[in-house]
Amino acid sequence: GAVVSQHPSWVICKSGTSVKIECRSLDFQATTMFWYRQFPKQSLMLMATSNEGSKATYEQGVEKDKFLINHASLTLSTLTVTSAHPEDSSFYICSARPRTSHLGTQYFGPGTRLLVL
Amino acid sequence: GESVGLHLPTLSVQEGDNSIINCAYSNSASDYFIWYKQESGKGPQFIIDIRSNMDKRQGQRVTVLLNKTVKHLSLQIAATQPGDSAVYFCAEIFSGYSTLTFGKGTMLLVSP
Repeated sequence: GAVVSQHPSWVICKSGTSVKIECRSLDFQATTMFWYRQFPKQSLMLMATSNEGSKATYEQGVEKDKFLINHASLTLSTLTVTSAHPEDSSFYICSARPRTSHLGTQYFGPGTRLLVL
Repeated sequence: GESVGLHLPTLSVQEGDNSIINCAYSNSASDYFIWYKQESGKGPQFIIDIRSNMDKRQGQRVTVLLNKTVKHLSLQIAATQPGDSAVYFCAEIFSGYSTLTFGKGTMLLVSP
């Protein structure tokens, strides 16, 4: 089956530092990747849609200068949380859509837990 | 029920019971629906999907029912097992937009 990995699985950082999270599709090419954020006991909220080779599309209310997304290849997208603050602490989940698939098909990564002190 | 603040609706069942998890979706134009299972500290896992031209679809131990009239989706799990304990989310997609919108989620607790 289609596998999506994330690295790191968890990270603790100091306030003001930047953190990069990687999302990789291991056995398929993904033209589109998605980044979600999930707070405890809440649902997944879409942050942005990332298309290979083009700029990401951010959802309303998500600061594009704070959450930098790069989708440089068909198997890798990165999310960089710049100048992280405690309120950025959350569970970040990526998903990937295979090149040839139904629009609703998304394979999810295992998530990255970020704690900002 | 509806979640309020940080409280997820919770369904508690005994092992072997049948479980029914409900979801109200928001967009009457949505044409594809998916149920996901999320275990603690993990990403969502696909369970079953259904297109808007269907009202029922069955999988292994799971059945999804779609009522477009009232914008309601349900997931039925037969012979629920402790390993089914997780948070279940419905998600909808309108193919014109191609992004998933997740529902609020329901926590299923299965007692042995």
